[in-house]
This record gives sequence, C-alpha cells and structure tokens, in this order.
Amino acid sequence: RKEVEQDPGPFNVPEGATVAFNCTYSNSASQSFFWYRQDCRKEPKLLMSVYSSGNEDGRFTAQLNRASQYISLLIRDSKLSDSATYLCVVNGRDTGNQFYFGTGTSLTVIP
Amino acid sequence: GAGVSQSPSNKVTEKGKDVELRCDPISGHTALYWYRQSLGQGLEFLIYFQGNSAPDKSGLPSDRFSAERTGGSVSTLTIQRTQQEDSAVYLCASSRHRGQETQYFGPGTRLLVL
Repeated sequence: RKEVEQDPGPFNVPEGATVAFNCTYSNSASQSFFWYRQDCRKEPKLLMSVYSSGNEDGRFTAQLNRASQYISLLIRDSKLSDSATYLCVVNGRDTGNQFYFGTGTSLTVIP
Repeated sequence: GAGVSQSPSNKVTEKGKDVELRCDPISGHTALYWYRQSLGQGLEFLIYFQGNSAPDKSGLPSDRFSAERTGGSVSTLTIQRTQQEDSAVYLCASSRHRGQETQYFGPGTRLLVL
C-alpha cells in the first residue's frame, strides 16, 4: 500500500467553481502534512501546511482528519491560474526524516 | 534571497556513463533532500542530509546511486553506470531544520539516458 494516495484526476472545472481534493495516508504516526502545487515542468512549491484544527489562506482551505487519516484541500472561486497539479505531502516517520509525496491531482480551470 | 539552485538543468548521457548532479541549498538551511520524479509519477525520496549527521540513504534505489554533502552546504548526487530507467527529473530541496519544516525545491535536473 502506498504511503500517500491521491485521486489523479484530472479535475476540469469552470472559473468560479469550488473544487475539493482528498488525500489519504497510511502511517498513523505521521506528524506533518502539506499541500504543494506543481506547475507543468516546474518544481513543487508549498501551497500551505495543514494543521490539526484546519486552516484557511484566502480561497484555500485545508483540513486534517486524523481518525480517518486523510487531508483535504478546498479551492473556492477557482481562477485560471489555479490550474496545476496539487501534491499531498506527509511526514511519514517519527524521526521526521522522510516526506512522502502523493502522485498529485491535476486541476484545469476552464474559462 | 537566492533559492535552491541545481546544475545542470538538463543532462543527456549514454547508457553506462556516470553523471554528477549538483545542488546548492538555501544559505543557512541545514536539511537537504534529493528526490526523483519520473514522468507522470510522484516524487520518490532518495536521500536526506541533516547537518553533520549520517545521511538517511534509505531511498537510494541501488548501489549505483550515491550522494555527498560537503561542508554542510553543496551536495552532489552521483549515478554510476546509468541505465535508461534512471531517466527522470532529479529534484533537490532544502529546509531550515530537520524533518517537519517547509521544503524549498530547486528547479531540478532533467536527466535523459539514451
């Protein structure tokens, strides 16, 4: 079983739509959670960390459900510039060395 | 300030040759990671350096892969006797401290083994 699993999509949504991505992780001892964004042929860049209490940054909301071992990302009022691949990232070991990346969910926002 | 830099940006080599990939982390970052990303795949962890501690090499796929980090700064990933399946984007990331800190990625080195 993979450490981190995401629906690869693609998600094709119109501008202004709300879209949500989920990600599940297998290691219950995971301690840190992130969403990264990766544009085509570019490096991943941090979108936001995910805190236990949930957190919001503008149009983006991230939530963590430890009991069910999943994290989510909600994007409201989608913009064309939101088109990218969204990577779920989980810190998988107690020592904190290793981060596990999902394969990413592809989002295309359509005019 | 300057971000993570990697060189070369692209590398084409013949099967069986050795290649060296370089990473310059953000100044002051003590943690450095190497990942590999194959076409359409997620990032695969390769190796992790933290300060002067012994590196975590648990992700290296074979003994053809090795990495060094000199002086706690620049790192070199070496692939010996390259194979076609080594073709991928090799990404380096650094963070201020170990483990749970945000990672900042370099632009990657696109390696093509013919």
